[in-house]
Amino acid sequence: DAKTTQPNSMESNEEEPVHLPCNHSTISGTDYIHWYRQLPSQGPEYVIHGLTSNVNNRMASLAIAEDRKSSTLILHRATLRDAAVYYCILRDFREGDDKIIFGKGTRLHILP
Amino acid sequence: DAGVTQSPTHLIKTRGQHVTLRCSPISGHKSVSWYQQVLGQGPQFIFQYYEKEERGRGNFPDRFSARQFPNYSSELNVNALLLGDSALYLCASSLESGFLGDTQYFGPGTRLTVL
Repeated sequence: DAKTTQPNSMESNEEEPVHLPCNHSTISGTDYIHWYRQLPSQGPEYVIHGLTSNVNNRMASLAIAEDRKSSTLILHRATLRDAAVYYCILRDFREGDDKIIFGKGTRLHILP
Repeated sequence: DAGVTQSPTHLIKTRGQHVTLRCSPISGHKSVSWYQQVLGQGPQFIFQYYEKEERGRGNFPDRFSARQFPNYSSELNVNALLLGDSALYLCASSLESGFLGDTQYFGPGTRLTVL
């Protein structure tokens, strides 16, 4: 099964950039890399996704390694509202099953 | 526009009972996925349905079943409840197959407690 590896927790100061890493060494050629975050007492929220090229949106940037075995979610200027658990997700498609596997997530703490 | 809605928000059951959880996707979305999230862990994939057909199944026992209706809403059923089934059950909807770049939108979840 495709799996991701993320640090359990990270800490950052408010208004500074944050780089959240994810390793996915078993990724297949057609797997998309998705990032979601989950604020306390809420369902996960989409952040960004990509396939091969780096991606930017209003929330974050996604940097994907050339070999696609790792990626980094970049929050350009963290705020207290960005404190959440961040999940790196791969689509795992084998034998007709469309399995979707979450990583364990990184709990991001933002210090004021 | 209304997001993904789930009912009920909270539920308490006893061991051995049966439970039905409901999910209404965002209007126009055809795919619904179900996840179980035990406290302190990430969501675990249970099922995905697309156009009323099962498209994916996670490693859950046969006590767990689901279906999708013609209006694309969905039910998750769990029989013979165990204490370990206590969790937050999340529903997510997406426009098409649910992945390959498609974004999933999650509901707030149903908190199930099994006593």
